[in-house]
Amino acid sequence: ETGVTQTPRHLVMGMTNKKSLKCEQHLGHNAMYWYKQSAKKPLELMFVYSLEERVENNSVPSRFSPECPNSSHLFLHLHTLQPEDSALYLCASSQAGIRETQYFGPGTRLLVL
Amino acid sequence: GNSVTQMEGPVTLSEEAFLTINCTYTATGYPSLFWYVQYPGEGLQLLLKATKADDKGSNKGFEATYRKETTSFHLEKGSVQVSDSAVYFCALATGANNLFFGTGTRLTVIP
Repeated sequence: ETGVTQTPRHLVMGMTNKKSLKCEQHLGHNAMYWYKQSAKKPLELMFVYSLEERVENNSVPSRFSPECPNSSHLFLHLHTLQPEDSALYLCASSQAGIRETQYFGPGTRLLVL
Repeated sequence: GNSVTQMEGPVTLSEEAFLTINCTYTATGYPSLFWYVQYPGEGLQLLLKATKADDKGSNKGFEATYRKETTSFHLEKGSVQVSDSAVYFCALATGANNLFFGTGTRLTVIP
């Protein structure tokens, strides 16, 4: 499999559930990112991992918890979400730093009921 | 602060029409500028980029020139095709880990 993959593609969860989003990159990159894409809003950078170390948080609520066990995998753990968290969550990867070209996965469409 | 403003859509054009999508930015330092495109059901992919003033990025018939004096990076294509229908995002990167996107402009090209 090539590029950046994300699972699941669609997720519906209640506000009391706990779920995780998974991202995997097959490009040999050493930086990975989580973005939130909401209608009518700019894409929001949530988390950045470079060389498996988190380097940017961007004041994301603690109900979102990222995990990067190695340079190829990135998770976003979700718990006690709110309906306004419903959005498309995109994962991306790149080489060494945010000025480099980022390669995006297809996203996970999340609906919080 | 850093921000990107791009023209609101949706934009609807006939095939072979000329396309311009405006993008202006506010940034500290010397940003790199990007256009990303998102086709239906897919993630974003880089369309073109420019890393310094007066650079012109180009790809697939699309062009954009980094204009520092007008803080702009407008996307143009001389003759659009139905397959160009997508959402286009302007973005800037400055500093070590700051990447800012615009709200996106949806383009629909009709035969």
